[in-house]
Amino acid sequence: NAGVTQTPKFQVLKTGQSMTLQCAQDMNHNSMYWYRQDPGMGLRLIYYSASEGTTDKGEVPNGYNVSRLNKREFSLRLESAAPSQTSVYFCASGVGRYEQYFGPGTRLTVT
Amino acid sequence: AQTVTQSQPEMSVQEAETVTLSCTYDTSESNYYLFWYKQPPSRQMILVIRQEAYKQQNATENRFSVNFQKAAKSFSLKISDSQLGDTAMYFCAFNSGTYKYIFGTGTRLKVLA
Repeated sequence: NAGVTQTPKFQVLKTGQSMTLQCAQDMNHNSMYWYRQDPGMGLRLIYYSASEGTTDKGEVPNGYNVSRLNKREFSLRLESAAPSQTSVYFCASGVGRYEQYFGPGTRLTVT
Repeated sequence: AQTVTQSQPEMSVQEAETVTLSCTYDTSESNYYLFWYKQPPSRQMILVIRQEAYKQQNATENRFSVNFQKAAKSFSLKISDSQLGDTAMYFCAFNSGTYKYIFGTGTRLKVLA
């Protein structure tokens, strides 16, 4: 089992460019999550998907969109990147609401 | 609003010694889950231990144990026989039964040889 995989591992964007972060899990989990991690602020939830076909906003959703493509895949899109979106992005999946497994993260820099 | 506070930004401990990391939280819920996650330099987030609020017994996983004080809203992590591989950021997290996890700001632990 690969667990939770994320692509790419690193990315540099210019302000205004768009990109999609990909996440996939092979553990047959229903719930999936996107977080961002900034220095001194811990992890903050951007969006989550409780099950295939549903998505909901987390704490910091502005500037992002998500798609739960199927049970395995949950993508995060930045339509017009801003320097404030420079961060490390983590995808996670879970069994119900009480357990999460994390991917290795994507380091994104917006210049 | 629910909050999680880790008041120790950095700590260090000698190899083979015991260290305790602190976490406090605020909630009006009666049933919830608390977690400790480890993030080594590789950046991978790893679940260390989990505690259900309705269980009075403190959770234990090998060298890792918690001291859960529900009335005080305190959830500390004790690492016994510290090893160099325990060097990492440690995050406390809270979940009240929704899908919205709340994380603390982390404690950077360094184990000294």
